[in-house]
Amino acid sequence: DTAVSQTPKYLVTQMGNDKSIKCEQNLGHDTMYWYKQDSKKFLKIMFSYNNKELIINETVPNRFSPKSPDKAHLNLHINSLELGDSAVYFCASSQDFGSGETQYFGPGTRLLVL
Amino acid sequence: RKEVEQDPGPFNVPEGATVAFNCTYSNSASQSFFWYRQDCRKEPKLLMSVYSSGNEDGRFTAQLNRASQYISLLIRDSKLSDSATYLCVVSREGSQGNLIFGKGTKLSVKP
Repeated sequence: DTAVSQTPKYLVTQMGNDKSIKCEQNLGHDTMYWYKQDSKKFLKIMFSYNNKELIINETVPNRFSPKSPDKAHLNLHINSLELGDSAVYFCASSQDFGSGETQYFGPGTRLLVL
Repeated sequence: RKEVEQDPGPFNVPEGATVAFNCTYSNSASQSFFWYRQDCRKEPKLLMSVYSSGNEDGRFTAQLNRASQYISLLIRDSKLSDSATYLCVVSREGSQGNLIFGKGTKLSVKP
């Protein structure tokens, strides 16, 4: 009965490769997010989708492209991976996009770029 | 000034101690405030929302001072299981779920 799930949990890859991370939520929420937590532990929002529409797009290289096939899924595709992309990527969801909504996080995907 | 600043850690306290975390935020138009907890190598989880009137949940008390742009979290009677990193979280102005996370303060409760 996992609420927010991500795959894969770990991802080790070479520089220059393209990879995808998948996220699914079974909470019936309308809004989903991608966050990056770097080695200094700062957690920063990257993207947010509400009912499959992009509503937040922070300053993120365009090598990162989110895709939301339906409101229960938000995938993250990363092209031409760089060393600096190594981080933990968390998916999250909330009932809607109001600022007071609780966000529920997935377990994270640990990406290591060699 | 950073958008959300927290006490530098780590805080090492004995079981049963009372510990207080402080947080300041820069955007006076922020509307929503939270404390999240993140265990080592785990995802953040909501601990509690923070309201202007202050709120309490068991051993945890959160306070908000909008005039000073200051948020606090008090943990009474610390348990070993309270060991984690506590993240102060603030919404951006006109936010659509756009939350700003502090770097977090690590708490270690020792027997």
